[in-house]
Amino acid sequence: SQKIEQNSEALNIQEGKTATLTCNYTNYSPAYLQWYRQDPGRGPVFLLLIRENEKEKRKERLKVTFDTTLKQSLFHITASQPADSATYLCALRGGGKLIFGQGTELSVKP
Amino acid sequence: DGGITQSPKYLFRKEGQNVTLSCEQNLNHDAMYWYRQDPGQGLRLIYYSQIVNDFQKGDIAEGYSVSREKKESFPLTVTSAQKNPTAFYLCASSTRQGSATNEKLFFGSGTQLSVL
Repeated sequence: SQKIEQNSEALNIQEGKTATLTCNYTNYSPAYLQWYRQDPGRGPVFLLLIRENEKEKRKERLKVTFDTTLKQSLFHITASQPADSATYLCALRGGGKLIFGQGTELSVKP
Repeated sequence: DGGITQSPKYLFRKEGQNVTLSCEQNLNHDAMYWYRQDPGQGLRLIYYSQIVNDFQKGDIAEGYSVSREKKESFPLTVTSAQKNPTAFYLCASSTRQGSATNEKLFFGSGTQLSVL
């Protein structure tokens, strides 16, 4: 069956460290993958899109990798700050629509 | 300010009642979407529309209905047939479905629906 999975356990890290979130998928061959940030009680906000022919993409302190062999995307936040605390969702296009993972909650402690 | 406006923020439904969630966008986007979010689960697609006067069912359309009479508006009605309506409902839009560059979604701030 087709699945997109993110680590359901919350990730707790210390301020200044690098946070790494994982998105794994099975039985999809997405042309691209997206990452969103969602704060409690709010709608998700688009962060980055990475295409299948791109290994890595960066935006300020954010870095996303996309390994189509492993069927995995990694989302990194370097020099993390308490303001980065949120839930992060990955999404890919499958079956003609955008499919979302369940999200991973990140908590950055000062 | 351009964006997507959802209202109300909180909504309560009584047994057997239909309720309508509002979604308005001024981004001039063609495509609009309704998602349902339950705790610990990913967003699930209810309905989507790529153009005025046309819409398609998503994965969990049963118990819901929509209309797209104007480009800016895509209201969602939760009917009494939806037996478990308590969830966070999110409306989104994009410039055009099916295009990688344009399919990033812009979301509203959501409506929390609860059953009385």
